[in-house]
Amino acid sequence: VQLVQSGAEVKKPGASVKVSCKASGYIFTNYEINWVRQVPGQGLEWMAWMNPITGNPGYSQKFRGRVTVTRDTSISTAYLEVNSLTSDDTAVYYCARTTNSGWFDHWGQGSLVTVSS
Amino acid sequence: DIQMTQSPSSLSAGVGDRVIITCRASQSITTHLLWYQQKLGEAPKFLIYGASSLQSGVPSRFSGGGSGRDFTLTISSLQPEDFATYYCQQSYSTPWTFGQGTKVEV
Repeated sequence: VQLVQSGAEVKKPGASVKVSCKASGYIFTNYEINWVRQVPGQGLEWMAWMNPITGNPGYSQKFRGRVTVTRDTSISTAYLEVNSLTSDDTAVYYCARTTNSGWFDHWGQGSLVTVSS
Repeated sequence: DIQMTQSPSSLSAGVGDRVIITCRASQSITTHLLWYQQKLGEAPKFLIYGASSLQSGVPSRFSGGGSGRDFTLTISSLQPEDFATYYCQQSYSTPWTFGQGTKVEV
């Protein structure tokens, strides 16, 4: 099982960023994908999840309206888009394969997003 | 939302020491408790599910316990590769929530 994420990004305040997470080594539609972020020096914060079969998303109240999760099953890839970026969004963003019991059993390597003017 | 509180926030220990980290949920989560290990600059690694079951490949010196609101992660004999930050997470209900982490340092 591997989850390979897109590379680091530098964005200006107000911009958007789209992070990708390409899955391999398992059947993509058999597991949910969750997104977790980690502000430098801080803990883990859950953002969103997605059912890869239906594409139905779920969002943390904190990020609802500003974050969108999507997927392309033909290339086994999930996406996280964050809009209206501020410096507080500077963080490493992780995708995680999730079992139907809510276990984040495999993680991507993380994508650093830096928001700076 | 279910709040998860870990203690201590950090601890100092030596190789061979027994280490115990606690995690408390703001409400009962039965045994829907997970533990992760994160080394500096790396993604978290899944260690324990169902409060006490070791993920495949995790050394037996790691063990988890507890139910309801109170849980523990024990490292029976700390090894050099175990110096890291440990997080608990509840898988009882969304939004999934994590403890703030416990840093285990030399």
